[in-house]
Amino acid sequence: GAVVSQHPSWVICKSGTSVKIECRSLDFQATTMFWYRQFPKQSLMLMATSNEGSKATYEQGVEKDKFLINHASLTLSTLTVTSAHPEDSSFYICSAATPLLGANVLTFGAGSRLTVL
Amino acid sequence: AQSVTQLGSHVSVSEGALVLLRCNYSSSVPPYLFWYVQYPNQGLQLLLKYTSAATLVKGINGFEAEFKKSETSFHLTKPSAHMSDAAEYFCAVSSTGTASKLTFGTGTRLQVTL
Repeated sequence: GAVVSQHPSWVICKSGTSVKIECRSLDFQATTMFWYRQFPKQSLMLMATSNEGSKATYEQGVEKDKFLINHASLTLSTLTVTSAHPEDSSFYICSAATPLLGANVLTFGAGSRLTVL
Repeated sequence: AQSVTQLGSHVSVSEGALVLLRCNYSSSVPPYLFWYVQYPNQGLQLLLKYTSAATLVKGINGFEAEFKKSETSFHLTKPSAHMSDAAEYFCAVSSTGTASKLTFGTGTRLQVTL
């Protein structure tokens, strides 16, 4: 079946540094990937939609210069949290869609927990 | 606009008992509804989905959900809980028919006790 891998699963960084999170589709090509943010005991909030070969589409209120998204290939999207601050600490989850699996089917990664000190 | 409300952030049942996780939705157009399950340290897995076909939808692991338009509900049920069902469950709605604009509920943690 379709598998999405996220790396790293846990990351701790100092305030002011940048952190990159990778989202890979392991056995299928993902034309579209989505990035979510999840706060404790809250729902997943869509941050942006990443389309291979084009600029990401950010949801309202999400700083595109803060959360850089790159989808350079059909199997890899990256989220870079730039100049991270403690309030950026959260659980980041990616998902991937491909028309071959159906328009309303998403495959999710296991998530990446970011802690900014 | 679309939204999802999951009543009860934590539900505890005994092994073998009925599981009922509640989900109510709001959508300005006929919705597409989903239930996802998240096991510890794993990604979300699709349990089942409603896409305007049969109102009673059967999913994996013995779960099913019934779409009730009059009640704007899509509750998840399983006749007999198993210890392996302990996980976080998310209800989600999409008004576009695609996965691009899923709105998730806050999740319900299911605990199964002996």
